[in-house]
Amino acid sequence: QVQLRQSGPGLVRPSQTLSLTCTVSGDSINSDRYFWTWIRQHPGKGLESIGLIYHSGATHYNPSLQSRVTISLDTSKSQFSLRLNSVTAADTAVYYCARGTEYTSSSVLLKRSYYYYYGLEVWGQGTTVIVSS
Amino acid sequence: DIVMTQSPLSLPVTPGEPASISCRSSQSLLDSNGYNYLDWYVQKPGQSPQLLIYLASNRASGVPDRFSGSGSGTDYTLEISRVEAEDVGIYYCMQALQTPYTFGQGTNLEIK
Repeated sequence: QVQLRQSGPGLVRPSQTLSLTCTVSGDSINSDRYFWTWIRQHPGKGLESIGLIYHSGATHYNPSLQSRVTISLDTSKSQFSLRLNSVTAADTAVYYCARGTEYTSSSVLLKRSYYYYYGLEVWGQGTTVIVSS
Repeated sequence: DIVMTQSPLSLPVTPGEPASISCRSSQSLLDSNGYNYLDWYVQKPGQSPQLLIYLASNRASGVPDRFSGSGSGTDYTLEISRVEAEDVGIYYCMQALQTPYTFGQGTNLEIK
């Protein structure tokens, strides 16, 4: 049974860097069928996508955070990480990591591609991060 | 970004009664491969969100069959045939057609 375990500080000083890690167990992080994503939830609010990373290392970031965010993958440690620079009080939120499944297979014989997507099936437990001096 | 709009935002339901949540996207979520990239998630009190429905109408593993999803293009619906007490939570739709993935505001389902 795959699990995502989040770790990282719950308190970050303004202007510093928020760093969180998500450790994957029960399945391989080294599969091209998965992508790995970070999502946050401001207090009492809805969900906001921060960005995601594919097995290839390709990333997509929310344009609203792109200048400050980095998501990376460490397959040797079965981890992926979030770094958010220059934080302010507006970055106070619960941060979630999650695994999505999406891949394509191709049939040379039939000359067509097959598309598979199964949503964000596995989530971490969430980390409350408060930005305060 | 694709804007997702849910209604209602609050949904009181009597146990055993049906419930329905609507989700509308600012542009079609129908991809050229024929799939509608719309998911439904529920966040139960004090928990992380969990997947209910993917690609508009496919139940995730372990999801009871009283949950069903439908829709195409820009309009989608999550239906619960008979609400149970354990269904309390905030329900979100999410589009996965293009990044950044975006969520609806959430619908708070509560038991009357």
